Amino acid sequence: DGGITQSPKYLFRKEGQNVTLSCEQNLNHDAMYWYRQDPGQGLRLIYYSQIVNDFQKGDIAEGYSVSREKKESFPLTVTSAQKNPTAFYLCASSIAADLYEQYFGPGTRLTVT
Amino acid sequence: GENVEQHPSTLSVQEGDSAVIKCTYSDSASNYFPWYKQELGKRPQLIIDIRSNVGEKKDQRIAVTLNKTAKHFSLHITETQPEDSAVYFCAASRGNNDMRFGAGTRLTVKP
Repeated sequence: DGGITQSPKYLFRKEGQNVTLSCEQNLNHDAMYWYRQDPGQGLRLIYYSQIVNDFQKGDIAEGYSVSREKKESFPLTVTSAQKNPTAFYLCASSIAADLYEQYFGPGTRLTVT
Repeated sequence: GENVEQHPSTLSVQEGDSAVIKCTYSDSASNYFPWYKQELGKRPQLIIDIRSNVGEKKDQRIAVTLNKTAKHFSLHITETQPEDSAVYFCAASRGNNDMRFGAGTRLTVKP
């Protein structure tokens, strides 16, 4: 189960506050991803990064921001502009963008009230 | 873009029976089809995958079949056990970070 970690497991925030979710991997993977999981909707891609200092928007990037300053780390910031931030957030990584298999972190459940 | 539909959304079987979950995809350029298992409160984990140059792949009690012409693929679990109970997700990808997931199937195996 090791290799890719997310913290914290549960996070509570007040509406209007930005919050940053951590994702770290020691698998030496080039590509990293952030997904949002809502009940009955599967996983939806928020942002992805193929290499350090590069990242691209996924299907639902509005209200989120990311950075990729180090290969091991891909933090996600949920901003106050995100209208429905309460969700389960999953980070994933893969050896490279084109080698497909993605390894997931344990997830962070964010609740905004 | 790619659209993946997954059926059924819930599936209940008796221990020892088989379970089949089906997915359809829309993009004929998709060439990689993984299946993930997610137990309650845990991360999704890859259980089997298939690429478009193969029609079927088997790993012990789990098998996946792919019909490229009809653009559908299926997960087959034989001799189900209570520990198979989980949510299963299919996905389709043509590479370049374009992996799309189905909505998931909640499988319950009754002892």
